[in-house]
Parts: sequence; C-alpha cells; structure tokens
Amino acid sequence: DAGVTQSPTHLIKTRGQHVTLRCSPISGHKSVSWYQQVLGQGPQFIFQYYEKEERGRGNFPDRFSARQFPNYSSELNVNALLLGDSALYLCASSSAGTGRYGYTFGSGTRLTVV
Amino acid sequence: QQQVKQSPQSLIVQKGGISIINCAYENTAFDYFPWYQQFPGKGPALLIAIRPDVSEKKEGRFTISFNKSAKQFSLHIMDSQPGDSATYFCAACYSSNTGKLIFGQGTTLQVKP
Repeated sequence: DAGVTQSPTHLIKTRGQHVTLRCSPISGHKSVSWYQQVLGQGPQFIFQYYEKEERGRGNFPDRFSARQFPNYSSELNVNALLLGDSALYLCASSSAGTGRYGYTFGSGTRLTVV
Repeated sequence: QQQVKQSPQSLIVQKGGISIINCAYENTAFDYFPWYQQFPGKGPALLIAIRPDVSEKKEGRFTISFNKSAKQFSLHIMDSQPGDSATYFCAACYSSNTGKLIFGQGTTLQVKP
C-alpha cells in the first residue's frame, strides 16, 4: 500500500517567491495535517484539514495557506518566502479528524529559500 | 501549557545497552502520547504510543513508561542496536480535539557497535 506521498522532494526558491507543496494521503484517510520542521527541531503544526474543512491552524503567518481537495489530497501554499521558511515540510494523514487513531507522515519536502 | 520538554538532547549508548529518553508535558488535557523515530532525510515514523489510562506499554524492544501524576513519560529501548541510531521525538496530543501533535525537541541517539 502506498504511504503518504509528498511532492516535490526538494525545492529551491528565491526570497519573495511563492511555493506550492502537495500531499496525497493514504487511501481512505480523510485528514491531512501539515508540519514545518526546522533543522534540529521537532515538527511544528501548521494546519489540519478534515473532509475539506480546516480543523486547526498553528501559529504561522497568513503567508501560509492550505486547502484539501475532494480526493482528500492537499496543497500547502507559502507566499512571499523568507529565508526563515527554509525547512522540511511534512504532511501527515489520518483516518479520523482527531488524533485518536494516530498519524502517518510522509518523507517531506525540503524547501530551501535563498 | 502547550509545551513538551524532552531530554537528553543527545545520547550515546553501547550496543546491547538500554537507551532512555524522557519527556514532560504541562497540559493535562493531552490524552495520546506517541513516540516517533526519524532517520535523516525521512519523515517521522510512529514507533509506539500510549494513552494515560495505562502506566506502561511494551512493543518488542520498545517500552513506554507513563507517570500521569508527574506528567512525565519515557521511552526505553532495550538491547539497543546500531540500527536504532536515529532521532527520537516524543509528542502529545488532545486526540478528541483537532489532534494537533505537540512535539518535543528531539533526542539524537547513537548506538556504538
């Protein structure tokens, strides 16, 4: 069975540009969450979507936005990129809208802002 | 109240030894406590998880000990192997709500042959 799929795996962008990251959850999973992991730190929660509705938002600026599509895949968009946005962006999927059944993470998208 | 504090930051253990990583939390509403293992270039993988109604959970060489009154939980890796060398994260979650995971800062484990 395919796990959580993220694309692209690596990305280099220039300050001020826009980026879109994509995630396909495990088949049958309706919840997708996004996390930012800066080198040497634990992942930080950005967004959670369940059944195409936003269920939670972390402490990130409005430059960060996301959406979930009818097939439960998701996009994370970041506008006006800053050097500090350089990180590993992780997508996690779950069968429920809560954490009751645990989360499965993808391998992430490594974003470098220069 | 949303923090999860993890220690030590790094750990070196001899092959066959016991690795112990500790975490403490503040929010008593947390009701799901997973441990994740992360290898370089990969996303975190769920290792083992516990809910606060039990004090210990064992899966193979991995054991979680949970102390609800002290708001602490720990991961024990028995018979540590070089393949266990990775970064370990504890996390906490209020699973009945959004299920947002609050991660600790991580522990880099090195198991020497």
